[in-house]
Amino acid sequence: AQSVTQLDSHVSVSEGTPVLLRCNYSSSYSPSLFWYVQHPNKGLQLLLKYTSAATLVKGINGFEAEFKKSETSFHLTKPSAHMSDAAEYFCVVSPRYTGKLIFGQGTTLQVKP
Amino acid sequence: EAGVAQSPRYKIIEKRQSVAFWCNPISGHATLYWYQQILGQGPKLLIQFQNNGVVDDSQLPKDRFSAERLKGVDSTLKIQPAKLEDSAVYLCASSGGFITGELFFGEGSRLTVL
Repeated sequence: AQSVTQLDSHVSVSEGTPVLLRCNYSSSYSPSLFWYVQHPNKGLQLLLKYTSAATLVKGINGFEAEFKKSETSFHLTKPSAHMSDAAEYFCVVSPRYTGKLIFGQGTTLQVKP
Repeated sequence: EAGVAQSPRYKIIEKRQSVAFWCNPISGHATLYWYQQILGQGPKLLIQFQNNGVVDDSQLPKDRFSAERLKGVDSTLKIQPAKLEDSAVYLCASSGGFITGELFFGEGSRLTVL
């Protein structure tokens, strides 16, 4: 069975400092992995996706994530946080060719001035 | 390109009442999903449609929830009778295909059951 664990429920950083949101996954087969972002009262938006091409994936707004099969991890990073990055972030695993998304519990990112 | 449309955005009802949510997916998207997001949790899949047919409804509480997708376009999710624990945001999403796995989400319908 596929599952995803987000290791931090809440992360707080200062504006201009790096962001690290951690995610581990469990999957019997090579999955597709995603990060979605949800701003308050807004719909979920795709940040980036991994589908077995390059292991370092670049997304929108300066975010990137690295797929590490040996560690079953897909951590999300950004070199410098901006106030507008404050939101809820979801790590998502999708079994190949099913179209299903399995969400983690989410990490709330707080960015302090 | 128009996004996924959902209505109503907010609904407050009393327990044992009924409610219906409507979703219009992105034009041409064959796959439509309903997710339930309880406060503080990640979204949970309720039902997945491929055109008119149901692909997965294993987590849909069928004693009170029902969903349909007539003509393979719009969809309606109904809850009858509602319970307190049904308070959540109901998200509709659509996808052009299984290959990419990317879903496009609406802004959600927030249900409060008193």
